[in-house]
Amino acid sequence: AQSVTQPDIHITVSEGASLELRCNYSYGATPYLFWYVQSPGQGLQLLLKYFSGDTLVQGIKGFEAEFKRSQSSFNLRKPSVHWSDAAEYFCAVGARNNDMRFGAGTRLTVKP
Amino acid sequence: SQTIHQWPATLVQPVGSPLSLECTVEGTSNPNLYWYRQAAGRGLQLLFYSVGIGQISSEVPQNLSASRPQDRQFILSSKKLLLSDSGFYLCAWGVDSNQPQHFGDGTRLSIL
Repeated sequence: AQSVTQPDIHITVSEGASLELRCNYSYGATPYLFWYVQSPGQGLQLLLKYFSGDTLVQGIKGFEAEFKRSQSSFNLRKPSVHWSDAAEYFCAVGARNNDMRFGAGTRLTVKP
Repeated sequence: SQTIHQWPATLVQPVGSPLSLECTVEGTSNPNLYWYRQAAGRGLQLLFYSVGIGQISSEVPQNLSASRPQDRQFILSSKKLLLSDSGFYLCAWGVDSNQPQHFGDGTRLSIL
């Protein structure tokens, strides 16, 4: 079965600084990859997704992610973080059995 | 457009009491439906998923159960709640593993 690892439990960055959240997956075939964001006490909102094609995908709120097959990674990036980006971020991998697995999440704190 | 509703938003229950959380989806037919639990500071744990009426797959053995009495209704139940059942419960729907899942706003369950 597929699995996802988010190595960083908590990251703190200053407002205006760049951000990279790491995600590594394990899956035998080409994965379907997703990044979600969760504000406190709310459900998950999709930021972006990768199915095939261009390995650099653009999402909402200025986020992008790059699929690197050789590294089994799908890291999320943003060039300049805003205070409103403080939230929990989840990477997920979908497989062809209608199953989706989520990472444990990375909590982002933004310092003023 | 499709929407997903979960209720209640917050629930406080004594140990040993029963539980029923409801999730309904509108604007789509024959969705895949999912129940996740999110413990404090942890990622999402898939509890149940359903690909059709009456079809339930359980991911984790526990004292919870799920039912799908109608195409767009998914219910999470327990006959006797445990302290360890506390957490944030999320319902989600999806079409296929190559499509993102869409989440409800969640139910915060506290067991006293």
